[in-house]
Amino acid sequence: DVQLVESGGGFIKPGGSLRLSCAVSGFTFSDAWMSWVRQAPGKGLEWVGRVKSKTDGETVDYAAPVKGRFTIFRDDSQSTLYLEMNSLKTEDTAVYYCTAIITPDDYAGERWGGQGTLVTVSS
Amino acid sequence: DTVMTQSPLSLPVTPGEPASISCKSSESLLRFNGYTYLDWYLQRPGQSPQLLIYLVSNRASGVPDRFSGSGSGTDFTLEISRVEAEDVGVYYCMQALHTPRTFGQGTKLEIK
Repeated sequence: DVQLVESGGGFIKPGGSLRLSCAVSGFTFSDAWMSWVRQAPGKGLEWVGRVKSKTDGETVDYAAPVKGRFTIFRDDSQSTLYLEMNSLKTEDTAVYYCTAIITPDDYAGERWGGQGTLVTVSS
Repeated sequence: DTVMTQSPLSLPVTPGEPASISCKSSESLLRFNGYTYLDWYLQRPGQSPQLLIYLVSNRASGVPDRFSGSGSGTDFTLEISRVEAEDVGVYYCMQALHTPRTFGQGTKLEIK
């Protein structure tokens, strides 16, 4: 059974840092392209960024609002995806979900995490 | 960025009746491999989004066949043949071709 479990959220002051994790099981993590998507309270979905598999160069792309402040990386040995967030702003307040393209060469949509993890940035 | 525009944004439906959601993209989602990279996701109240349809018309595992997707190029439609109570939630289209990935605003389906 495919599972993605996010953790690491919390309450943080503007300018602070936080690291989110996404532990996965049920598929070959090293083959997957992994992404973070966020949802501000009462709002729609916003793509944060993606890291490709090592086979595909482990390329990382970011959305403009987070580029230079957020870093996405993966640990294939631990089947875990990370989101390092620095210089946090109040507008980064959101539930953060991780998603997976399990078979990038045979695209079949994005699989989503369970409940996400809430990040609240406030003074 | 590719702009995804959904309509309607609110969709009240009587159980057993059909429902239809439109999604238009600002640029083509057709890739050189012949596939069109448009997905549909449903976010039920209090839950994370879940995959319904990928590559325009392919139902994800476990999705009832009352859900169907169609379209090409820049115009797409999600149809529910007979709405049931469990279909309540917000439906999002997402383009999976261009970076950054972008989503429609969401269509909130509610039961009348």
